[in-house]
Amino acid sequence: EIVLTQSPGTLSLSPGERATLSCRASQSVSSSYLAWYQQKPGQAPRLLIYGASSRATGIPDRFSGSGSGTDFTLTISRLEPEDFAVYYCQQYGSSPLTFGGGTKVDIK
Amino acid sequence: QVQLQESGPGLVKPSETLSLTCTVSGGSVSSGSYYWSWIRQPPGKGLEWIGYISYSGSTDYNPSLKSRVTISVDTSKNQFSLKLNSVTAADTAVYYCARRYRYDSSGYVWGQGTLVTVSS
Repeated sequence: EIVLTQSPGTLSLSPGERATLSCRASQSVSSSYLAWYQQKPGQAPRLLIYGASSRATGIPDRFSGSGSGTDFTLTISRLEPEDFAVYYCQQYGSSPLTFGGGTKVDIK
Repeated sequence: QVQLQESGPGLVKPSETLSLTCTVSGGSVSSGSYYWSWIRQPPGKGLEWIGYISYSGSTDYNPSLKSRVTISVDTSKNQFSLKLNSVTAADTAVYYCARRYRYDSSGYVWGQGTLVTVSS
């Protein structure tokens, strides 16, 4: 099983700042089958990035994903008020599919 | 645009079977191009993949739940279902159904989720 470790656990930033979230895998993620999701309280996760770096439909270009192998990054270039949420990475190239523990981005 | 909607009992007794259904609109479960999945999230905790089924009926389950899980498809109702038997309080969670295109690296589209509480 591929274990995904997200860091930091919590990121306290102000609107307009840049957020950098990390997701590290215990072994190489197949064909960059790595996704990022945003989740707000009481809502389902929302797909932001798939294939490590492709933005999902309707996702603003301030969200970007990068990385390959075992190290992946989600960057939010300038935080908007609606971006404060929990972010999860997921690998879906190997069974069982697994998720990271999440990074909470909160308002400083 | 496909939409997924979970339904089923919100309360299940310990040792009984949890049964949920996902109704698909704007798409067909008969399509061989998708994986139809279940994922859960205990209150205040992270996400856990339960398993998936394809139109052909092939399934893949999380080893941690495999002995208790069955996922099936009902093409006549355009639905797929989850059964989890011998439940305990640890199975209390929001259960999501989700879909992913199987032929590329597209990510998951999720339903809104339904809370299932295991309690006597």
